[in-house]
Amino acid sequence: DAKTTQPTSMDCAEGRAANLPCNHSTISGNEYVYWYRQIHSQGPQYIIHGLKNNETNEMASLIITEDRKSSTLILPHATLRDTAVYYCIVRAGGKLIFGQGTELSVKP
Amino acid sequence: DTGVSQNPRHKITKRGQNVTFRCDPISEHNRLYWYRQTLGQGPEFLTYFQNEAQLEKSRLLSDRFSAERPKGSFSTLEIQRTEQGDSAMYLCASSSPWTGDDTDTQYFGPGTRLTVL
Repeated sequence: DAKTTQPTSMDCAEGRAANLPCNHSTISGNEYVYWYRQIHSQGPQYIIHGLKNNETNEMASLIITEDRKSSTLILPHATLRDTAVYYCIVRAGGKLIFGQGTELSVKP
Repeated sequence: DTGVSQNPRHKITKRGQNVTFRCDPISEHNRLYWYRQTLGQGPEFLTYFQNEAQLEKSRLLSDRFSAERPKGSFSTLEIQRTEQGDSAMYLCASSSPWTGDDTDTQYFGPGTRLTVL
């Protein structure tokens, strides 16, 4: 079973920051938080991952709380092409266990 | 680097027929994963290989399913005697765990969409 809880859906205005929350209250000390997104009918796309520290790359930023029980994915300037299902995954071992994800709709 | 490729992209078959899908991972990636995704759900893990060795299989992988990676490069997933419940997107991912732990990042292919009539 997925070890994360995410809102089912969110809206964001184009050009604004999209903040996607994720709860993972049972995370263990050596488990990483991964984020993927899936645009309709395509394979999942890797976004970012982290363990304890906040992380940033060209796509997004990942903010992990100090107790590691929750995290937030930030898309700093959302565009219409960011409309997708976003999956937050706590990874233990090789496989990824996907939950239902958050359906993000970016609106003009 | 051309990314993970999967063939065919779409497959329509009749119930009871056998089907085979192919996945070509990113060059030099030694781990290869198969997932299945049904409509409205997140992908579900099926199995994975490190080089030629199949290291883990989900209980979702019934006896009708078999996966191989004979030379540690491409992989095939075969479904025998297909059923309508097998209709899904079959996704392949590859990774390279050079760090030796499990922080390897999986990169997914576009998937093969199977429809069983």
